[in-house]
Amino acid sequence: DAGITQSPRHKVTETGTPVTLRCHQTENHRYMYWYRQDPGHGLRLIHYSYGVKDTDKGEVSDGYSVSRSKTEDFLLTLESATSSQTSVYFCASGTGRQETQYFGPGTRLLVL
Amino acid sequence: AQSVTQPDIHITVSEGASLELRCNYSYGATPYLFWYVQSPGQGLQLLLKYFSGDTLVQGIKGFEAEFKRSQSSFNLRKPSVHWSDAAEYFCAVGAQGGSYIPTFGRGTSLIVHP
Repeated sequence: DAGITQSPRHKVTETGTPVTLRCHQTENHRYMYWYRQDPGHGLRLIHYSYGVKDTDKGEVSDGYSVSRSKTEDFLLTLESATSSQTSVYFCASGTGRQETQYFGPGTRLLVL
Repeated sequence: AQSVTQPDIHITVSEGASLELRCNYSYGATPYLFWYVQSPGQGLQLLLKYFSGDTLVQGIKGFEAEFKRSQSSFNLRKPSVHWSDAAEYFCAVGAQGGSYIPTFGRGTSLIVHP
């Protein structure tokens, strides 16, 4: 299995506070992705990266920013968390847009 | 852009029975297709994928899927379900040669009765 980890695994925060989620992969994959998973919506792409410092928006990018300063790390930041951002967040990585994605275990975020 | 529909939110089967999970896609050109499985509390894992060639694709854990271009479908099948197959199943579709990231369906939850 691809080595991909997420931290923290669980987080409770308050509305209006900034939150950063970290994704780390050891496979030297070029592509990395952030998704959110909500009941009835499946997986929705937030942002993705196609290389160091190269990122692009996904379907539900409003309220989120990302950064990738190293191949192995992809950070997702909620600048000012809202209750609508309560979700399970998954990171994934892969060798190309059309290739298999390898998923992390997820981060469960609760915004009160 | 591509889209994918999984018509069934929940499917319930008895252990040992056969299984078919439906996936329909919308894309004008040649798609590439995936099925992923998510066990409770886990991330997604690839079951199988189709890019080209034989339209019947074999995957892990005894699963297979058949690409039918005329029906825009990529249904997942298993001849005999085990209790450990209870999970969420996601179909994903991408565009061959395109710049789009694959789109995931909303998922089908499989419940297995003993």
